[in-house]
Amino acid sequence: DGGITQSPKYLFRKEGQNVTLSCEQNLNHDAMYWYRQDPGQGLRLIYYSQIVNDFQKGDIAEGYSVSREKKESFPLTVTSAQKNPTAFYLCASSIILGQGKETQYFGPGTRLLVL
Amino acid sequence: EDQVTQSPEALRLQEGESSSLNCSYTVSGLRGLFWYRQDPGKGPEFLFTLYSAGEEKEKERLKATLTKKESFLHITAPKPEDSATYLCAVQARSNDYKLSFGAGTTVTVRA
Repeated sequence: DGGITQSPKYLFRKEGQNVTLSCEQNLNHDAMYWYRQDPGQGLRLIYYSQIVNDFQKGDIAEGYSVSREKKESFPLTVTSAQKNPTAFYLCASSIILGQGKETQYFGPGTRLLVL
Repeated sequence: EDQVTQSPEALRLQEGESSSLNCSYTVSGLRGLFWYRQDPGKGPEFLFTLYSAGEEKEKERLKATLTKKESFLHITAPKPEDSATYLCAVQARSNDYKLSFGAGTTVTVRA
């Protein structure tokens, strides 16, 4: 089955700890994205990548880091510098047609909680 | 800065009671407007993309329409399984494929 997988489903972080969220897609999509969702707020873009070995900051990149070493994978690291990491994290991917008609498809999400 | 406002925040309907959700947007050149459905604890599921004013798209009991300032998602004769949060997002021509999301409308349909 083609799709986007995120793991783990739940993740617990201790104070001062870095944690990494996994996102993998087998849709052969070019672009991948990370969003954060908090109650009562719209999804906010953390980072995105349109091509391997290249990525751009979104609106709330502080305290996060990413890598894009393979087309299929776009892991997100939540560093100890992110002071309020408790949220639902969503990964998405899309093709890039150059016509501006790309649709982003989402994974099932990872809920991060602070101990 | 692109802005998306969804109303109402929450909507409680009786089964079969049709209604509409609103998505008002401000964007510097609309590339596309997207509707998603999100169930609790799950990722958003893509529903529709609208590209130009006057465009309409339908899927089962859902119909999305678009004007130059807003989009409506009409739910006709809803069933309990239509209960979800519906998200609206816009993509601007100048914005490098990024989406700006509204906070969503949570719809509850009672049997």
